[in-house]
Amino acid sequence: AQSVTQPDIHITVSEGASLELRCNYSYGATPYLFWYVQSPGQGLQLLLKYFSGDTLVQGIKGFEAEFKRSQSSFNLRKPSVHWSDAAEYFCAVGYSGYSTLTFGKGTMLLVSP
Amino acid sequence: NAGVTQTPKFRVLKTGQSMTLLCAQDMNHEYMYWYRQDPGMGLRLIHYSVGEGTTAKGEVPDGYNVSRLKKQNFLLGLESAAPSQTSVYFCASSDTTGQNTEAFFGQGTRLTVV
Repeated sequence: AQSVTQPDIHITVSEGASLELRCNYSYGATPYLFWYVQSPGQGLQLLLKYFSGDTLVQGIKGFEAEFKRSQSSFNLRKPSVHWSDAAEYFCAVGYSGYSTLTFGKGTMLLVSP
Repeated sequence: NAGVTQTPKFRVLKTGQSMTLLCAQDMNHEYMYWYRQDPGMGLRLIHYSVGEGTTAKGEVPDGYNVSRLKKQNFLLGLESAAPSQTSVYFCASSDTTGQNTEAFFGQGTRLTVV
C-alpha cells in the first residue's frame, strides 16, 4: 500500500534561515509527488509537483524540492524563510493508474523572529 | 475563478442528526474527493468519484455516504452524526490526464458534533 512519511511533526526555524522539510514515500513505481501548504483556517494550496524529468523542481513562494529515487525522498527546501511561511506542509504521492493521492500527516512550520 | 466551493463552512450538529455537505467545482474535472482532517492524522480519504454517477470508498468511509449525480457536484452525507465525526472536511477535484493530476481543494467545512 502507498504511504507517505513526514518524520517531523513540528519544526521551528528562525526568520531568514534555511528550511528543509522531509518526505519519504514507500512504493517502487514511478511516483507523482506533491507538496501542499495549508495556512490556518484555509484549504490546501499546491506549492510544487514532480511528474518526470528534472529531479529538482521549482515552486511558488521561493520553494523547491528534489526527487531522489534512491532514497525514496522528495524533500522541500527554501533558502531563506519568511514569517509568512509559518503554516502546515503536506507531502502527497500518486501513481499512474491510481485515482487517489496519499498524504503524509503534515509538518507544522513555526518561524521565530 | 471559483474553483472548488464547499458549503456550509461551519456547522454544529447534535448526535444522531443528519446533514449533507455540498462540494461544487467549475473546472470540469472528472475526479472528486472528500477528505477529513484531524490533528496529527493528516488528510484521510473518505470517498471519491472518478466520474458522474460513480463513487468509491476511501480509507475511512464508515458513517458517510456520497453521491455524484452531476459532474460538477459531489455530496457527502452523514446519516446519523457521531462525536467521532467532528472534523474539518475538505473536498478536492482533479483532472484525469497525466500532467494535470494535481488536486484543487476547497476551503473546508468545520463540523462539530455534540
